[in-house]
Amino acid sequence: GAGVSQSPSNKVTEKGKDVELRCDPISGHTALYWYRQSLGQGLEFLIYFQGNSAPDKSGLPSDRFSAERTGGSVSTLTIQRTQQEDSAVYLCASSRSGTGGSGNTIYFGEGSWLTVV
Amino acid sequence: QQQVKQSPQSLIVQKGGISIINCAYENTAFDYFPWYQQFPGKGPALLIAIRPDVSEKKEGRFTISFNKSAKQFSLHIMDSQPGDSATYFCAASMRQGAQKLVFGQGTRLTINP
Repeated sequence: GAGVSQSPSNKVTEKGKDVELRCDPISGHTALYWYRQSLGQGLEFLIYFQGNSAPDKSGLPSDRFSAERTGGSVSTLTIQRTQQEDSAVYLCASSRSGTGGSGNTIYFGEGSWLTVV
Repeated sequence: QQQVKQSPQSLIVQKGGISIINCAYENTAFDYFPWYQQFPGKGPALLIAIRPDVSEKKEGRFTISFNKSAKQFSLHIMDSQPGDSATYFCAASMRQGAQKLVFGQGTRLTINP
């Protein structure tokens, strides 16, 4: 697609329920990232995929959070037994490759706004 | 050691003025410093980026100044316009290994007409 696509754009869920957030990266981008943005806060790294593997999961806040990527494309972030503190915007991003530096711009989607009530 | 500290948290500038946002980092392994612009309800978008081998980079009205010895970098927006009103994030990453951006806390910029 033309940009990083995320769904749903908004999700309200009850505490204790599981949620799945989907990300469709830019076509051809091998690297995919999930970030979390809480109200008034910066962006917090969650997990990085290179292809279908996740060499860096260091930002996942607890074992209630998991993510997978299939076919080197679509990724799903799953939050089990949601808590109120999970309320945030979950941003997905992709880049052509996972190597750092200029020339490998990271492009963000518009995010999935999650509210846990 | 992974932190990037950004200031101010919010900034109000008159139209036509210069907006200045500052960031400081700790990890000397960082070697790529982008700035992202985020409008309400949208994802962050890359605005401008710099590598530590240069002290300044300019693109239109936007300039990054970089001070490697002080481990600081800043964004200057010249002739600020109401359309520049947004939240700005500085970030840093390392060239080696995964390109994991570490973000500052953000600056909410308001340009008054």
